[in-house]
Amino acid sequence: GDSVTQMEGPVTLSEEAFLTINCTYTATGYPSLFWYVQYPGEGLQLLLKATKADDKGSNKGFEATYRKETTSFHLEKGSVQVSDSAVYFCALRRGQGGSEKLVFGKGTKLTVNP
Amino acid sequence: DAGVIQSPRHEVTEMGQEVTLRCKPISGHNSLFWYRQTMMRGLELLIYFNNNVPIDDSGMPEDRFSAKMPNASFSTLKIQPSEPRDSAVYFCASSPEYSGNTIYFGEGSWLTVV
Repeated sequence: GDSVTQMEGPVTLSEEAFLTINCTYTATGYPSLFWYVQYPGEGLQLLLKATKADDKGSNKGFEATYRKETTSFHLEKGSVQVSDSAVYFCALRRGQGGSEKLVFGKGTKLTVNP
Repeated sequence: DAGVIQSPRHEVTEMGQEVTLRCKPISGHNSLFWYRQTMMRGLELLIYFNNNVPIDDSGMPEDRFSAKMPNASFSTLKIQPSEPRDSAVYFCASSPEYSGNTIYFGEGSWLTVV
């Protein structure tokens, strides 16, 4: 079945450091890929998405590129801020007769220190 | 625009009591999802509906859990009787049907069963 694998956390960085959170997936067909973010005590918010191969999603300085050849969707940010401290979830969603639900990775907790 | 609205936001109840969680999806969305989040198991899909019809309830843990969607603007998740292991955050989410569309989450119902 469909699955998403994220790098295990927690990840602790200093402010202005470079961030990479790895995400790989297993799915049939051509899923859409998402990154969601969950701040402490809050629900999940969409951070960015990509719906086809080679698409790049971007938002708030975060980027991720849909790489079909490596089945990956790694999240990157060039300079993190304390306010980026949160849990990040990679997810996929299939449609067109397949599953329409979101399949999540286990989440990666990021802490950014001043 | 109003997002996905869940109630109650927080509930503390005694073991054996009935718990009803409520959700109002975003208007015009035809898919609705119930997820559960715990530290041990992460995010789990419990059930999802498409056009008010349950499509996949394989994630519903046992007969104590039931979900309904009587119309396009309302859904309930009921636990009867509740147990301490049901303590979790329950998220409702909605989206248009196409797989590339974002699934929007509510802020969650934080349930504690003592």
